[in-house]
Amino acid sequence: KQEVTQIPAALSVPEGENLVLNCSFTDSAIYNLQWFRQDPGKGLTSLLLIQSSQREQTSGRLNASLDKSSGRSTLYIAASQPGDSATYLCAVAQGGSEKLVFGKGTKLTVNP
Amino acid sequence: DTEVTQTPKHLVMGMTNKKSLKCEQHMGHRAMYWYKQKAKKPPELMFVYSYEKLSINESVPSRFSPECPNSSLLNLHLHALQPEDSALYLCASSLGTLWNEQFFGPGTRLTVL
Repeated sequence: KQEVTQIPAALSVPEGENLVLNCSFTDSAIYNLQWFRQDPGKGLTSLLLIQSSQREQTSGRLNASLDKSSGRSTLYIAASQPGDSATYLCAVAQGGSEKLVFGKGTKLTVNP
Repeated sequence: DTEVTQTPKHLVMGMTNKKSLKCEQHMGHRAMYWYKQKAKKPPELMFVYSYEKLSINESVPSRFSPECPNSSLLNLHLHALQPEDSALYLCASSLGTLWNEQFFGPGTRLTVL
């Protein structure tokens, strides 16, 4: 059974800092991995999707990497801003299943 | 149009009421999903529709009844809910199967009294 873990559960940083959020998964037979952002009480916003054949994806200040063999993905946020404060969720699309398996998220606070 | 819309934003209902949640997308996506999310937890999949047919029901109680009238519209009919059903209900869509990027709506905050 696929399990997705996100560490740390919460992170507080000063504005301007570069930071890394971690996501690990137990079964490497995935189709893709998706990073989402969720603001309190709101829906999920898709940030980046990495296909299993890809190593990384970039969008603006965000860079996500995928190491399928070791079951790890990282989300790198450059020059963090208070507006980046949110919960970040990773989810894997599992081979042989139609379900997305989510991690519990990392709550990020960027302090001005 | 690149968004998923959900109505209503908030809903308060009694345990004997019947209500419906609505989700709409005009991106030409053929897979649509309902998720339930409790506070400080990740979303939990409830139902998946693929090409307007129900493909996954995650053993959801029958008091939740999904409906997909057409490829753009997804409803969730609610009847005889319990207070523990209070949650954020999220709709999502993707181009085809779950292996495509999923786009989420803003959610409906449901409170059952």
